[in-house]
Amino acid sequence: AQSVTQLDSHVSVSEGTPVLLRCNYSSSYSPSLFWYVQHPNKGLQLLLKYTSAATLVKGINGFEAEFKKSETSFHLTKPSAHMSDAAEYFCVVSDPGSARQLTFGSGTQLTVLP
Amino acid sequence: SQTIHQWPATLVQPVGSPLSLECTVEGTSNPNLYWYRQAAGRGLQLLFYSVGIGQISSEVPQNLSASRPQDRQFILSSKKLLLSDSGFYLCAWSAGLAGGIQETQYFGPGTRLLVL
Repeated sequence: AQSVTQLDSHVSVSEGTPVLLRCNYSSSYSPSLFWYVQHPNKGLQLLLKYTSAATLVKGINGFEAEFKKSETSFHLTKPSAHMSDAAEYFCVVSDPGSARQLTFGSGTQLTVLP
Repeated sequence: SQTIHQWPATLVQPVGSPLSLECTVEGTSNPNLYWYRQAAGRGLQLLFYSVGIGQISSEVPQNLSASRPQDRQFILSSKKLLLSDSGFYLCAWSAGLAGGIQETQYFGPGTRLLVL
């Protein structure tokens, strides 16, 4: 069975400072991992995905994530936060053995202070 | 390019009334289609998925049902809504499995349902 844990339900940063959103996963296979962002009353937008290629994955809007198998982590980072980054972020794991299903983390609400 | 539409965007319905939410995808053929529900302050719950016309898999027992009358159309229905059906309903599509690797799911804009 697969699972994903987002270690912080809320993260608050100042504009221009780095962002770190933490995610740990559990999977029986070599998983695919995703980060999605959701702005209020909007659908989920894909930020980036890892599918067993390069361990450092670059996404949209300056975000990137590093897959660390030894730590079973897939943390999301951005060097400098922008006000428009304020949103909820979901870490998602897909296990090839489970075919059609994604397992979502509980989400991290990012607040960006001026 | 592919786009996914959902309507209505918002809906307020009384308890016991029927429900029909629609999702359509453009720009792709034979997609996998999914219905999720996001309750307030909670994560996403997969309700149904479909790998083809008329093929529906239910993930959670409930008073909701889904149908796929056309290749790129996915409908979520209920005969009698409950208060607990309130939430944000998201439709998603994916290109299906390729070499055993789960393809990315792309989400629609969502429908906000409030049952009173």
